[in-house]
Amino acid sequence: DAGVIQSPRHEVTEMGQEVTLRCKPISGHNSLFWYRQTMMRGLELLIYFNNNVPIDDSGMPEDRFSAKMPNASFSTLKIQPSEPRDSAVYFCASSLNLNTEAFFGQGTRLTVV
Amino acid sequence: RKEVEQDPGPFNVPEGATVAFNCTYSNSASQSFFWYRQDCRKEPKLLMSVYSSGNEDGRFTAQLNRASQYISLLIRDSKLSDSATYLCVVNLAGRIPLVFGKGTRLSVIA
Repeated sequence: DAGVIQSPRHEVTEMGQEVTLRCKPISGHNSLFWYRQTMMRGLELLIYFNNNVPIDDSGMPEDRFSAKMPNASFSTLKIQPSEPRDSAVYFCASSLNLNTEAFFGQGTRLTVV
Repeated sequence: RKEVEQDPGPFNVPEGATVAFNCTYSNSASQSFFWYRQDCRKEPKLLMSVYSSGNEDGRFTAQLNRASQYISLLIRDSKLSDSATYLCVVNLAGRIPLVFGKGTRLSVIA
């Protein structure tokens, strides 16, 4: 199994630009999570899906953030417009269901200048 | 009380030492517990699940104390390669997915 695949691995963008992060979960996993990690705040859960349906997006910091899961094998996290304080590592993770351990992608390191 | 609380460390130990970390959790209904390991600039990876009866995997032993609401991780005969951040993870089944602690940093020194 290829594991959770995220793209791009690194993204540098200018303030105000739209940024789209992509994730392919492990085949057969029903739950998908988007996390953000910074030195100051640690690992924060932004949003999660179960069977492609968003369950809880209360961790999304602002309306500038949105996430979709159009099918079982693909999800996107979009930031529009991006700001320097959005700079962080964004991880996607998937699990069999909400009760089981999650497996993480390698992350997207986002820098907004 | 924070949902999942860990001593951030760093724990600096010599090679061969035994080191233990504790992690406290706030919700007595929590049902699943895990330890993850995260290397610098890498993603978190599952180290081991924590069962009610405790479990052991080589040099690593994980234990659960429901009465006092904490889990522990014991590492025996520390190796340089054990240097990482260890994340305590708690899952309140069916309601809140994995809640991560902020991690405990371990540095094993030659």
